[in-house]
Amino acid sequence: KAGVTQTPRYLIKTRGQQVTLSCSPISGHRSVSWYQQTPGQGLQFLFEYFSETQRNKGNFPGRFSGRQFSNSRSEMNVSTLELGDSALYLCASSWTSGGPYNEQFFGPGTRLTVL
Amino acid sequence: SQQGEEDPQALSIQEGENATMNCSYKTSINNLQWYRQNSGRGLVHLILIRSNEREKHSGRLRVTLDTSKKSSSLLITASRAADTASYFCATPSEKLTGGGNKLTFGTGTQLKVEL
Repeated sequence: KAGVTQTPRYLIKTRGQQVTLSCSPISGHRSVSWYQQTPGQGLQFLFEYFSETQRNKGNFPGRFSGRQFSNSRSEMNVSTLELGDSALYLCASSWTSGGPYNEQFFGPGTRLTVL
Repeated sequence: SQQGEEDPQALSIQEGENATMNCSYKTSINNLQWYRQNSGRGLVHLILIRSNEREKHSGRLRVTLDTSKKSSSLLITASRAADTASYFCATPSEKLTGGGNKLTFGTGTQLKVEL
């Protein structure tokens, strides 16, 4: 079974631009969550999508948005990029949402650099 | 905010030795997951332990969970240079509407295994 894939793997943008990141979950998984990882803040939850609906949202500004398609693939968009948005963006895939048995599997991440 | 705190923050051992990392968390949980991350890459899922389990094994990994102390430990036996990585514990967020997959991560333990 193929793992979680994220594209692109690396991205360089300038302040003020917008960016779209993509995540394809493991086949059969319906939940996709997004996380931001920075040296200062560590791993922080952005949002989760399950069956095309946003289930939960972290404490990030409205510039961060996402969506999920009927095939469970998810995209994350960041508008009006700031220098502080430079980070590793990780998506996690799981079969369902919540519950004590629910393992989440992460992709390799997209390294975003904002200049 | 970080729910979990790993201890120690950094650990350096010789190949063949055992490595023990500890994680403390703050709220009640239904499971706890451990992940490994190699230098700036994605997270690799190691093990999930449910709140009604006290110990779980997977290969050279042994995880314990003490819900009364809100703590968990990860033991890697007979460590290898390839085990050099950062290790994170993650717990599901308690305050979610209708369940969900928000994970709160600890700050991580950087393990270095030297030849």
